[in-house]
Amino acid sequence: DIQMTQSPSTLSASVGDRVTITCRASQSISSWLAWYQQKPGKAPKLLIYKASSLESGVPSRFSGSGSGTEFTLTISSLQPDDFATYYCQQYNSYFLFTFGPGTKVDIK
Amino acid sequence: EVQLVQSGAEVKKPGESLKISCKGSGYSFTSYWIGWVRQMPGKGLEWMGIIYPGDSDTRYSPSFQGQVTISADKSISTAYLQWSSLKASDTAMYYCARGQQSADYWGQGTLVTVSS
Repeated sequence: DIQMTQSPSTLSASVGDRVTITCRASQSISSWLAWYQQKPGKAPKLLIYKASSLESGVPSRFSGSGSGTEFTLTISSLQPDDFATYYCQQYNSYFLFTFGPGTKVDIK
Repeated sequence: EVQLVQSGAEVKKPGESLKISCKGSGYSFTSYWIGWVRQMPGKGLEWMGIIYPGDSDTRYSPSFQGQVTISADKSISTAYLQWSSLKASDTAMYYCARGQQSADYWGQGTLVTVSS
């Protein structure tokens, strides 16, 4: 099974900061990676798919990069609405999808 | 507008059975895979399994194989997740989501509480 890790597990930042979250896969997943945002009590929301493609309607301050085993989600200028937990998800394995453990972005 | 609307919260006792639902609208229900995701209290997301309503092709995560059953009724655009004998450890929020790779639309979640 492919295992996913994320770092950091918690990130404290201020409005306007540039924020980077890293996701690593235990083996190569090409570009088959998505990023989601989840706020307390709400369903996850798709931000990025295929490692770097921005989902329709998602602000351009969000961007994704990487391939193989290392990926990053970057928020170029953190906004108040962005304080949430972020998950990566691999979908390289045939219907054996795996989420990362999550990164909580909170207010510094 | 694409929507996935899930059934309401449930409170059950250990050993009871349960079937929760996820109704799709605003798109061709039979053309997209629907997956189920578990989120235990205060924890992360766990992918459980997925179904293609067009032909009911179903795949399970090894962690959930034999523990739950995923089904769909395409005539009413609804997918289901069911348990035959609930355990306290099944207490969680359950989400349905559309997509066989990344999940672009999600239901609002169904909270299942199992307690004696």
